[in-house]
Amino acid sequence: DGGITQSPKYLFRKEGQNVTLSCEQNLNHDAMYWYRQDPGQGLRLIYYSQIVNDFQKGDIAEGYSVSREKKESFPLTVTSAQKNPTAFYLCASSISRTSGYNNEQFFGPGTRLTVL
Amino acid sequence: SQQGEEDPQALSIQEGENATMNCSYKTSINNLQWYRQNSGRGLVHLILIRSNEREKHSGRLRVTLDTSKKSSSLLITASRAADTASYFCATESRGSTLGRLYFGRGTQLTVWP
Repeated sequence: DGGITQSPKYLFRKEGQNVTLSCEQNLNHDAMYWYRQDPGQGLRLIYYSQIVNDFQKGDIAEGYSVSREKKESFPLTVTSAQKNPTAFYLCASSISRTSGYNNEQFFGPGTRLTVL
Repeated sequence: SQQGEEDPQALSIQEGENATMNCSYKTSINNLQWYRQNSGRGLVHLILIRSNEREKHSGRLRVTLDTSKKSSSLLITASRAADTASYFCATESRGSTLGRLYFGRGTQLTVWP
């Protein structure tokens, strides 16, 4: 089945620890995105990548880092510098706009991170 | 902020009734999209309407776009309990990075059986 997966589903972290959230897609999409969602809120963009080995900061990148070494993978690291990391994290992907396709985003199931 | 804003924040209706949600945005757009999110899950794309389109249909969904008022509406006809979810509008702003979307805070729809 084609799709986008995230792991783990639930993650608990002690203060001061870095954690890495996994995001994998087999849709052959060029673009990938990381969002943060807080209760009752919309999605805020953390980082995005339009092509392998390139990524850009979104609106709330402080305290987060990413890498894009492979087309299929876009892991997000939540560092100890992120002061309020407890949230629901969503990864998404889309076909490169240059292909001329509609630019809908496909979302993974999310990772709920809780800082203890 | 370039985010869209949905209205109302919450909507509660009976099965069989129609549900209408509105979205307003601030900048010129390439397209506007509607997504659905069941509680604790990822978002699912419902429909995309381009800036040169005024209305689009998909099954029980009808989306309108008024670029002069910078607003859109999503109508779900003959609602079902399974339609209970949060609905988000997202805009791709003209002049912004292609593909980047700006999401609103969503409308929580509850459909009672």
